[in-house]
Amino acid sequence: EDQVTQSPEALRLQEGESSSLNCSYTVSGLRGLFWYRQDPGKGPEFLFTLYSAGEEKEKERLKATLTKKESFLHITAPKPEDSATYLCAVQGMNSGGYQKVTFGIGTKLQVIP
Amino acid sequence: GAGVSQSPRYKVTKRGQDVALRCDPISGHVSLYWYRQALGQGPEFLTYFNYEAQQDKSGLPNDRFSAERPEGSISTLTIQRTQQEDSAVYLCASRRSGGAYEQYFGPGTRLTVT
Repeated sequence: EDQVTQSPEALRLQEGESSSLNCSYTVSGLRGLFWYRQDPGKGPEFLFTLYSAGEEKEKERLKATLTKKESFLHITAPKPEDSATYLCAVQGMNSGGYQKVTFGIGTKLQVIP
Repeated sequence: GAGVSQSPRYKVTKRGQDVALRCDPISGHVSLYWYRQALGQGPEFLTYFNYEAQQDKSGLPNDRFSAERPEGSISTLTIQRTQQEDSAVYLCASRRSGGAYEQYFGPGTRLTVT
């Protein structure tokens, strides 16, 4: 069964203090690894999809990287508006008709001005 | 077009009552997913559809939960004889096809069973 473990569960940063969130995964044949952002009271919002080890994607202050066992979401010089819960999810080759997506519990990020 | 919409946004019901939650996906999206999210947890897979066919319902907790998507568009998640442990946010997501593509989520329905 696919598994996703995210760490830390919560992270508090000063504005401008860069850091990384970790997503460790176990999946039988990775088809895609996804990062989402979720604000309180809202549904998750898509950020990135990574397909193979070595791949990197960037968007503003966020950069996602992927290895064979984990993914990192790097946040450079964060701002208070980056405060949210960041969710990692995987879809594997043998995941329920190849389309089941498994989520981690998320990392709750707070950026203090 | 518009994003994924869900209704109602909030539902309070008494234990033992049936509830129906509705999801209207992005137009043209083939796949539709249902998740349940408890406070402080990630979305938990319940079921998904490709067009009108329910492909995987392995995440449905028990036979009180069912879902349908009769015309391959709008979907309804029904919970019969609700219990307090059913209280959660129910999220719906759609994606354009069956590949490893991103999902687009609705705002969720917060269900409270008293």
